[in-house]
Amino acid sequence: NAGVMQNPRHLVRRRGQEARLRCSPMKGHSHVYWYRQLPEEGLKFMVYLQKENIIDESGMPKERFSAEFPKEGPSILRIQQVVRGDSAAYFCASSPPNTQNTEAFFGQGTRLTVV
Amino acid sequence: DAKTTQPNSMESNEEEPVHLPCNHSTISGTDYIHWYRQLPSQGPEYVIHGLTSNVNNRMASLAIAEDRKSSTLILHRATLRDAAVYYCILRDPSTRGSQGNLIFGKGTKLSVKP
Repeated sequence: NAGVMQNPRHLVRRRGQEARLRCSPMKGHSHVYWYRQLPEEGLKFMVYLQKENIIDESGMPKERFSAEFPKEGPSILRIQQVVRGDSAAYFCASSPPNTQNTEAFFGQGTRLTVV
Repeated sequence: DAKTTQPNSMESNEEEPVHLPCNHSTISGTDYIHWYRQLPSQGPEYVIHGLTSNVNNRMASLAIAEDRKSSTLILHRATLRDAAVYYCILRDPSTRGSQGNLIFGKGTKLSVKP
């Protein structure tokens, strides 16, 4: 059973371009969480999704950011018109359904650099 | 959100025990206490979690105060590979759905000296 897979591991975008970050959860996991980590800071919650539903997006910036977790395929975090301040490590985590307080499994992250 | 307070940093010598404290005075009755760690340039890794009773696993032990307002993560013999940022986290009770997300604070940066 492969772990949480994120790709790409590193992504460079010019200001104004779009960034698409992918997260494949562990097999059998239907809950996905996205976090952002700025340099030398802790992880900030962005969004919590279940298959085809956004459960909590309270940590998502109101503009330019969107997330989806379709019935088939990976979860996608999309950042439109990137700016330098979007440069950060973006981590995805997954956990199984119908359980409470189980551990979450994190991917290795995507490091986005906006130039 | 229920919050936790941890020291910014701690140092330990290799092969000695390490006690990492965490205060969570606003914990609610149904909050679980989770610990994760993040090694340099990696994603967070689950360490241990508990509710009321002390917990042990192959990585660490978790000692929970009787009033649940504090807890301590215990690494029995620190190794150089244990150098990481350790996060004490309470399950977010305000999130809708069957599971709450994890709210990370700044954590404790553990340095291990050979």
